[in-house]
Amino acid sequence: QKEVEQDPGPLSVPEGAIVSLNCTYSNSAFQYFMWYRQYSRKGPELLMYTYSSGNKEDGRFTAQVDKSSKYISLFIRDSQPSDSATYLCANAGGTSYGKLTFGQGTILTVHP
Amino acid sequence: NAGVMQNPRHLVRRRGQEARLRCSPMKGHSHVYWYRQLPEEGLKFMVYLQKENIIDESGMPKERFSAEFPKEGPSILRIQQVVRGDSAAYFCASSPAGGAEQFFGPGTRLTVL
Repeated sequence: QKEVEQDPGPLSVPEGAIVSLNCTYSNSAFQYFMWYRQYSRKGPELLMYTYSSGNKEDGRFTAQVDKSSKYISLFIRDSQPSDSATYLCANAGGTSYGKLTFGQGTILTVHP
Repeated sequence: NAGVMQNPRHLVRRRGQEARLRCSPMKGHSHVYWYRQLPEEGLKFMVYLQKENIIDESGMPKERFSAEFPKEGPSILRIQQVVRGDSAAYFCASSPAGGAEQFFGPGTRLTVL
């Protein structure tokens, strides 16, 4: 079993839709939860960084962490074609806070 | 406001040659991390370094791979005697303190012929 599971998609939505992206994880030691956006052939860009359970909002993006069910989500409101990318969840914690464990990534396409 | 810089962006090597990948962290960042992204796979942690120290190398292959972050200059990921399976995108990330909030560079795409 992978430490971080993420549905690779692909996910296709119309412009303006609310997008929900999800990951599950198995390591109870994880305390830090991140979402990255990666455009084709580019480096990952940090979107959201959260610690422990709860919600965090930044513009059109909302990250949710539920440590009791080991489930993390990213919501994108009013999605735009420029949001088309691969979204990666990443976790860290335990004895090595510097080691990020990534999900496989979800490919998102927002069509006009 | 330079971000993490990596060079070269593209590197082609023949089997058996050496590959050297360089990473300059963001200004003010003293912690560097290397990750590898194989085709159709996610990002995998390789090594975490501070200036002149290797903090965590649990993701590094046991042979042919080494990394350093000297007191002066960029961090170097070195791959000796490259094989075709080393073809991948190698990303460097940095942070101001050791931790999970990491900022990535554009990557070096290594192709082994």
